[in-house]
Amino acid sequence: KNQVEQSPQSLIILEGKNCTLQCNYTVSPFSNLRWYKQDTGRGPVSLTIMTFSENTKSNGRYTATLDADTKQSSLHITASQLSDSASYICVVSAVDSSASKIIFGSGTRLSIRP
Amino acid sequence: KAGVTQTPRYLIKTRGQQVTLSCSPISGHRSVSWYQQTPGQGLQFLFEYFSETQRNKGNFPGRFSGRQFSNSRSEMNVSTLELGDSALYLCASRDRDPRSNEQFFGPGTRLTVL
Repeated sequence: KNQVEQSPQSLIILEGKNCTLQCNYTVSPFSNLRWYKQDTGRGPVSLTIMTFSENTKSNGRYTATLDADTKQSSLHITASQLSDSASYICVVSAVDSSASKIIFGSGTRLSIRP
Repeated sequence: KAGVTQTPRYLIKTRGQQVTLSCSPISGHRSVSWYQQTPGQGLQFLFEYFSETQRNKGNFPGRFSGRQFSNSRSEMNVSTLELGDSALYLCASRDRDPRSNEQFFGPGTRLTVL
């Protein structure tokens, strides 16, 4: 069964600290993995996308890693800012010759405290 | 290019009523997906339309229906509203390649059922 599991469900850290969010997946055939940031009451916005052959990708203070062997990904946020308070959603895509399937994780709710 | 737009942004209805939500995808995008998001549940897939045809359907009751027009705009209808239908309804569009999986989300419609 195609599944994406994220941990922790929620996280509170102080401004300026680093944090790491986790994503484990059982999706086949794997195509790519994307991290989205969703501010409260808004639609998700893509942060990074990683394919099978990539194991690290950065977008400013956000760095995503992918281990395709263990089917794990992480999103590391450096020097957190108040604006990082949001939900972070891991999304994995499976693509075969005819169609694609997109599986969403339930997200990690991150709160940054001043 | 303008992003995905959804109308209305906020809506209050009472139990038993019906509601229609609208989504205009990014110009050139032919695939539109609808999601329901409730606190703690994450994004739940409702259905996807491509070229006016429903291509995928999630596990929601028949009270939830949708359609897509020739200009790719999509509407979602919920009949006989229940309190549990209160949620953020997100629309996402993808480009013309049916195997493309980058989705661009709209801001959502916040539906409150009283």
